[in-house]
Amino acid sequence: KQEVTQIPAALSVPEGENLVLNCSFTDSAIYNLQWFRQDPGKGLTSLLLIQSSQREQTSGRLNASLDKSSGRSTLYIAASQPGDSATYLCAVRPGGSNYKLTFGKGTLLTVNP
Amino acid sequence: DTEVTQTPKHLVMGMTNKKSLKCEQHMGHRAMYWYKQKAKKPPELMFVYSYEKLSINESVPSRFSPECPNSSLLNLHLHALQPEDSALYLCASSQDGLGNYGYTFGSGTRLTVV
Repeated sequence: KQEVTQIPAALSVPEGENLVLNCSFTDSAIYNLQWFRQDPGKGLTSLLLIQSSQREQTSGRLNASLDKSSGRSTLYIAASQPGDSATYLCAVRPGGSNYKLTFGKGTLLTVNP
Repeated sequence: DTEVTQTPKHLVMGMTNKKSLKCEQHMGHRAMYWYKQKAKKPPELMFVYSYEKLSINESVPSRFSPECPNSSLLNLHLHALQPEDSALYLCASSQDGLGNYGYTFGSGTRLTVV
């Protein structure tokens, strides 16, 4: 059974810092991995989707990497801003016929002005 | 249009009421999903509709009844809910029925059962 772990559970940084959020998964046979952002009481906003054949994806100040063999993904946020404060979730789409998404529990990020 | 739209944003209902949640997408996505999310927990899958047919029911109680009138619309009919059903209900869609191209989520309906 696929398990997804996100470390740390919470992170507080001063504005302007570069930071890394971690996501690990137990079964490397994944199809893709998606990073989401969730503001309190709101829905999920897709940040980046990495297919299993890709090593990284970039969007603006965000860069996500994938090392399928070691079961790890990282989300790098450059020059953090208070508006980046949110919960960040990673979700794994397994390979094969089981396409049910498995979510991590999220990292709560607070960027202090 | 790259959004999944959910209505209403907030809903308060009594345990004897019948209400419905609505979800709409115009991206041509062929699969739509209902998730339930409790506070400080990740979303939990409830139902999957693929090409307008119910393909997954994650053993959800019958007081939740999904409906997919067409490929753009997804409803969740609620009846005789319990206070523990209070949660954020999220709708999502994917281009195909397998999530091979990722998922798009709506902004959710905050449901409170009193």
